[in-house]
Amino acid sequence: DQQVKQNSPSLSVQEGRISILNCDYTNSMFDYFLWYKKYPAEGPTFLISISSIKDKNEDGRFTVFLNKSAKHLSLHIVPSQPGDSAVYFCAASAYSGAGSYQLTFGKGTKLSVIP
Amino acid sequence: DVKVTQSSRYLVKRTGEKVFLECVQDMDHENMFWYRQDPGLGLRLIYFSYDVKMKEKGDIPEGYSVSREKKERFSLILESASTNQTSMYLCASSLRQDSLYGYTFGSGTRLTVV
Repeated sequence: DQQVKQNSPSLSVQEGRISILNCDYTNSMFDYFLWYKKYPAEGPTFLISISSIKDKNEDGRFTVFLNKSAKHLSLHIVPSQPGDSAVYFCAASAYSGAGSYQLTFGKGTKLSVIP
Repeated sequence: DVKVTQSSRYLVKRTGEKVFLECVQDMDHENMFWYRQDPGLGLRLIYFSYDVKMKEKGDIPEGYSVSREKKERFSLILESASTNQTSMYLCASSLRQDSLYGYTFGSGTRLTVV
């Protein structure tokens, strides 16, 4: 059973426009949500996160919105740039015992920003 | 700059070979993880470890084993490589109590089994 879902495998956006990547989750025990960015042949890199007690976190061109009642979060990139073209993974964190947290990842959305 | 280092970027192995993938982190992180990434399937957890000599199965442990003899090193072992284990393998580490920033990933090892 997929606890973190990214229903759009791919997204194409014109340079300068807004990119909106969506993520849904089912486990109400998740306490942090994170977005990772991955270029081909590289490991994922942390982009932005949000605590479950907040509804918005902003970092430069990147903003993450959390709607707990809908169990939905989204990543907004404004303005989109060609260098943003990558696979974006949504991840959710929950306490997993042994004093540790564990991330559950979505399947990823491939963003293509067209110049 | 802190990092997670995977020993090989690209590997080609033959079916039936025993394969070792090595991962070293220099951040004194307690937790270490092995994932594989396949198109359309995202990141799938193979094994993880919260401490030295400790290991736990992830979602897809079949055909794999791990070793963690030292805190900074976590090895993934393919006992008898098969073509369906051709994939990108990613190692990650994290602090025990750190939720907000999640994991630090290595650059990945692209393994091809022929």
